[in-house]
Amino acid sequence: GENVEQHPSTLSVQEGDSAVIKCTYSDSASNYFPWYKQELGKRPQLIIDIRSNVGEKKDQRIAVTLNKTAKHFSLHITETQPEDSAVYFCAARRGQNFVFGPGTRLSVLP
Amino acid sequence: DTEVTQTPKHLVMGMTNKKSLKCEQHMGHRAMYWYKQKAKKPPELMFVYSYEKLSINESVPSRFSPECPNSSLLNLHLHALQPEDSALYLCASSLRTGGVEAGELFFGEGSRLTVL
Repeated sequence: GENVEQHPSTLSVQEGDSAVIKCTYSDSASNYFPWYKQELGKRPQLIIDIRSNVGEKKDQRIAVTLNKTAKHFSLHITETQPEDSAVYFCAARRGQNFVFGPGTRLSVLP
Repeated sequence: DTEVTQTPKHLVMGMTNKKSLKCEQHMGHRAMYWYKQKAKKPPELMFVYSYEKLSINESVPSRFSPECPNSSLLNLHLHALQPEDSALYLCASSLRTGGVEAGELFFGEGSRLTVL
């Protein structure tokens, strides 16, 4: 089955700096890679996603890159703000199954 | 309406109780999911329903019994649970379960379950 690894597990950055979170997946048949943000006590919410036929996608301060050959994808957040502080989960979908990475706790320090 | 609604938000039950968690969506999604999330851990897939039929059961103990009465509703029946089953139970839906048109996963707010 699919296995998703995620690094780092915790990340602290100064407000205004960039943050990068990296994930690797094991199943080359996975074709959809979403990123979720989960604030304390709340539901995971999709912030950006990328399909396997695309190498990069950007939405304002957030971008995702995908390297299918190496089976890894990354989340890039620029100009971080305190409200970006949360747990971020990457995921990979193969067919009916979404498998989540273990999560990264991002702290943006004012 | 882009909401997945879950009830109850909080549930406390004893190990001999029978209770149910409910989930509803009106987005026309044909795939619905139950996830279990423990503190500081990612969501862990329990069940997937595709077009009201159970398509994935991730070896979940029989004390958890899912039900999909129609395309908008998903229930999780709970019986004889253990304290280690205490967790946040998240319902989710997507347009379909596979292929390029499957779409993103929409999560409900979750039902926080405590088993005494």
